[in-house]
Amino acid sequence: DAGVTQSPTHLIKTRGQQVTLRCSPKSGHDTVSWYQQALGQGPQFIFQYYEEEERQRGNFPDRFSGHQFPNYSSELNVNALLLGDSALYLCASRSSGNGANTGELFFGEGSRLTVL
Amino acid sequence: GESVGLHLPTLSVQEGDNSIINCAYSNSASDYFIWYKQESGKGPQFIIDIRSNMDKRQGQRVTVLLNKTVKHLSLQIAATQPGDSAVYFCAEMKASKLTFGTGTRLQVTL
Repeated sequence: DAGVTQSPTHLIKTRGQQVTLRCSPKSGHDTVSWYQQALGQGPQFIFQYYEEEERQRGNFPDRFSGHQFPNYSSELNVNALLLGDSALYLCASRSSGNGANTGELFFGEGSRLTVL
Repeated sequence: GESVGLHLPTLSVQEGDNSIINCAYSNSASDYFIWYKQESGKGPQFIIDIRSNMDKRQGQRVTVLLNKTVKHLSLQIAATQPGDSAVYFCAEMKASKLTFGTGTRLQVTL
């Protein structure tokens, strides 16, 4: 049973460019969240997707957008990249059924984005 | 506002000893409090959670204590092993959204 998988693992972009990160949730999970983790910091909530809609959003600008597909996989898009967007982007999944009765989220290994 | 903070940025423990990692929180409306372990180059790994209406929960070698009076959360690791070396985050969950603290690095010395 594959856990949460993310791609790419590492990428380098320049300021002003756009990036798309991808996530496949753990089998049986239907809810996907994205987090940004700056070096030496805890992850910060970006947004959450369920039933192909954004359900919650953290304090991130509109440059950050996402999508969830019918197979529950998700994408995170960041436009007009800034140097400060350099971070580890983590995807986490859970089930809206039994998983809703626990605090457990399953995280992927992350996509390390460097903006030059 | 909401915040989850940790008292110590680095904790050094000898192998075999017990470790205690502490965390303070300010949002009393959280549904769960959770501890995650993050090893270098990896995503956070769930350790244990506790519902907001509980005081104590035990897992394998780990115990989480929740003191709602002083808004304090702790993680106790029994017989600490080298494989326990990592950064530990406390987090609070409300409506499936996690709010993390900045983390405590646990160093296990031989």
